[in-house]
Amino acid sequence: GDQVEQSPSALSLHEGTDSALRCNFTTTMRSVQWFRQNSRGSLISLFYLASGTKENGRLKSAFDSKERRYSTLHIRDAQLEDSGTYFCAAEAGGNNKLTFGQGTVLSVIP
Amino acid sequence: DMKVTQMPRYLIKRMGENVLLECGQDMSHETMYWYRQDPGLGLQLIYISYDVDSNSEGDIPKGYRVSRKKREHFSLILDSAKTNQTSVYFCASSSNRGRDTQYFGPGTRLLVL
Repeated sequence: GDQVEQSPSALSLHEGTDSALRCNFTTTMRSVQWFRQNSRGSLISLFYLASGTKENGRLKSAFDSKERRYSTLHIRDAQLEDSGTYFCAAEAGGNNKLTFGQGTVLSVIP
Repeated sequence: DMKVTQMPRYLIKRMGENVLLECGQDMSHETMYWYRQDPGLGLQLIYISYDVDSNSEGDIPKGYRVSRKKREHFSLILDSAKTNQTSVYFCASSSNRGRDTQYFGPGTRLLVL
């Protein structure tokens, strides 16, 4: 089936630094979503993209509009509250069914 | 206030017992979802519902069934629970036939002994 591969699987960042997470898709995807799961297990939607880029505060996400085979999530000026597990999920098209990646565990350290 | 609720939040059952997980949303979303999440893994789609009585299998439907009799309510049923169904179950909803952000409930932790 369709696969979503996230990298890295884990990441440690010092406060104030920048980094990027990436999702590669084994097939062309119609849309991608990014979520953060906090330590209590709650899932928060960060972005929904059908193409292009979106920005919200220190977070910015891009979805490759040409081949639609990857997406990135950029974190600028990382803060302690950014810690959590980040998931991307993509829809191949037509059936609204999302396939999730296995997540990136992000730890922001002082 | 946009919200997806799940009941119960925690549940312990014995193998072979029936399990009913409830999900509600107050956003009049057409599409609702049931997922399970196991340690170290992302979420896996069990069932998707496009509206009342319009349900479709996800990636791992075996051992589960669903019921959607009202738009705001979506139930997940395990008939004769198995130990490998121990997991955290998430419900979600979205508008616009799913082509929009999914809103997630807080999850239900199910332990099957």
